[in-house]
Amino acid sequence: DTGVSQNPRHKITKRGQNVTFRCDPISEHNRLYWYRQTLGQGPEFLTYFQNEAQLEKSRLLSDRFSAERPKGSFSTLEIQRTEQGDSAMYLCASSLRYRGQMNEKLFFGSGTQLSVL
Amino acid sequence: AQSVTQLGSHVSVSEGALVLLRCNYSSSVPPYLFWYVQYPNQGLQLLLKYTTGATLVKGINGFEAEFKKSETSFHLTKPSAHMSDAAEYFCAVTRNFGNEKLTFGTGTRLTIIP
Repeated sequence: DTGVSQNPRHKITKRGQNVTFRCDPISEHNRLYWYRQTLGQGPEFLTYFQNEAQLEKSRLLSDRFSAERPKGSFSTLEIQRTEQGDSAMYLCASSLRYRGQMNEKLFFGSGTQLSVL
Repeated sequence: AQSVTQLGSHVSVSEGALVLLRCNYSSSVPPYLFWYVQYPNQGLQLLLKYTTGATLVKGINGFEAEFKKSETSFHLTKPSAHMSDAAEYFCAVTRNFGNEKLTFGTGTRLTIIP
């Protein structure tokens, strides 16, 4: 178990640029979640995947945000035309969910800190 | 809609003293409740969770929490604080056992005084 890996750890960009983050979940995990955490706040749910299918998206996820998990393994989160308000820590988490399971345990990565200048 | 409120953004306790971090929830359906801990430069780690059954749940590192429906509370306690407990603690709630779409509180930063 190597844990959930997120890259890069830090990203500084200029307003209007596009950025992409990557998340590598724990290898056998079928679910992958993206959360966003701003300073002084708790994490906020953005979206989640079961295998390659994106099952839910938060209203927080504007049309400038897109997430993919093309082969049901790693995931990318892209933000187009970044704004200063996008500055936050972007957290990825993964879990293994069995059919009929009541709930699963989330394993979080250390996050990608985005700063938009 | 569900929400959690954490009372006190900063809590300081002396080493060896009782730790009490407060969390109140709002939910129209029976909630699933969680406490997560975040150490600097590390990911969130699950401390404990309440789903159904026993209302007093024990977690890692000597922490425990009690689900009190009548008070809509899920406070986190530890009898004796250790320096290594210094971290940020988040209470979270979900109503749906179909996924882990959690709603987090704003967090409480715990400082341990030597």
